[in-house]
Amino acid sequence: QKEVEQDPGPLSVPEGAIVSLNCTYSNSAFQYFMWYRQYSRKGPELLMYTYSSGNKEDGRFTAQVDKSSKYISLFIRDSQPSDSATYLCAMRDDKIIFGKGTRLHILP
Amino acid sequence: KAGVTQTPRYLIKTRGQQVTLSCSPISGHRSVSWYQQTPGQGLQFLFEYFSETQRNKGNFPGRFSGRQFSNSRSEMNVSTLELGDSALYLCASSFTADSYEQYFGPGTRLTVT
Repeated sequence: QKEVEQDPGPLSVPEGAIVSLNCTYSNSAFQYFMWYRQYSRKGPELLMYTYSSGNKEDGRFTAQVDKSSKYISLFIRDSQPSDSATYLCAMRDDKIIFGKGTRLHILP
Repeated sequence: KAGVTQTPRYLIKTRGQQVTLSCSPISGHRSVSWYQQTPGQGLQFLFEYFSETQRNKGNFPGRFSGRQFSNSRSEMNVSTLELGDSALYLCASSFTADSYEQYFGPGTRLTVT
């Protein structure tokens, strides 16, 4: 079993829809949970991070961590075409482990 | 503030050759991590350096090595290149070691023929 599992997509949704992106993990030692966004031909950029369990909101983005289920989510409200990118979940113990990323397409 | 810079951006090498990639972190950042990104395996951790010391290493063969200089700039070297080494190599910097907040460069696209 891989440490971090993420559905690669692609995921296509119409503009304005709510997007739900998810990852599962196996290592209970993870304490920091991050979401990165990567546009084509660019390096990943940190979107949000959460420490331990709980929710965190930043504008249209909400990150959730459920440590009991070893499950994390990123919700994007009012999705825009500019949100089209690959979204990578990431988690840290002594190093950062990334999911493979979900390709998201927002259709105008 | 200037971002993370990586040179070169693109590189084509032949099997058996060696290659050196360079990374300049954000000013003031002392930690540099290297990753390999491929379509099949995604983003995989290579190693992390802080204050010129390797703190952590991923599951890559010894052909992959790195170092960090006193000005925090880092280089990674791959010897005896194999076709499977073709990938995007990303460097990320952070202010401290063990940070969740890493800033990535644009990457070096290495093609091995």
